[in-house]
Amino acid sequence: DGGITQSPKYLFRKEGQNVTLSCEQNLNHDAMYWYRQDPGQGLRLIYYSQIVNDFQKGDIAEGYSVSREKKESFPLTVTSAQKNPTAFYLCASSMDRDYGYTFGSGTRLTVV
Amino acid sequence: GENVEQHPSTLSVQEGDSAVIKCTYSDSASNYFPWYKQELGKRPQLIIDIRSNVGEKKDQRIAVTLNKTAKHFSLHITETQPEDSAVYFCAASAVGTASKLTFGTGTRLQVTL
Repeated sequence: DGGITQSPKYLFRKEGQNVTLSCEQNLNHDAMYWYRQDPGQGLRLIYYSQIVNDFQKGDIAEGYSVSREKKESFPLTVTSAQKNPTAFYLCASSMDRDYGYTFGSGTRLTVV
Repeated sequence: GENVEQHPSTLSVQEGDSAVIKCTYSDSASNYFPWYKQELGKRPQLIIDIRSNVGEKKDQRIAVTLNKTAKHFSLHITETQPEDSAVYFCAASAVGTASKLTFGTGTRLQVTL
């Protein structure tokens, strides 16, 4: 699956619940990213991580949390504090010196 | 931070015609400008990129041009084909931001027969 796997493909969440989106890569990439995609708004950066045990907030981090305990994994938790979580979430990775991103296939989250 | 604007938001061309998508960026320190193609329901895929030490790069039917003075860059697709129909995103990243890309809002290209 292109070396970077996101799961699940579709996710439904009830209001007030936290949900965790999985992102795993076997490309030996140092950096990983989470973007949110909404119609007409392009891709907006939620969080990114350059190395294990370190991550930085992106432009729209409020209501989200991440961890980077392993190089291969960068899970994203959408908390109940995120007011409008329905969106398409894309995970990506890149080598530290190679700017090109490889994207996962995405998770479509819907609040019901 | 960086701001990337992309135009047009939609573009319809006839098969065989050329398509041009334009982007402007705000941070003069930006030095890397990739373009991604996203087909419906699929992940974005890198189609071409350019770094600030060159003004133009070509790969078969696609080319990208960069004008650092004006802070804009463009994607050119020649001899368009129906399979070129997709959403195209430009992006930019600046030195010292660890490859953190800022994306434009996308252009939906439709190639009609």
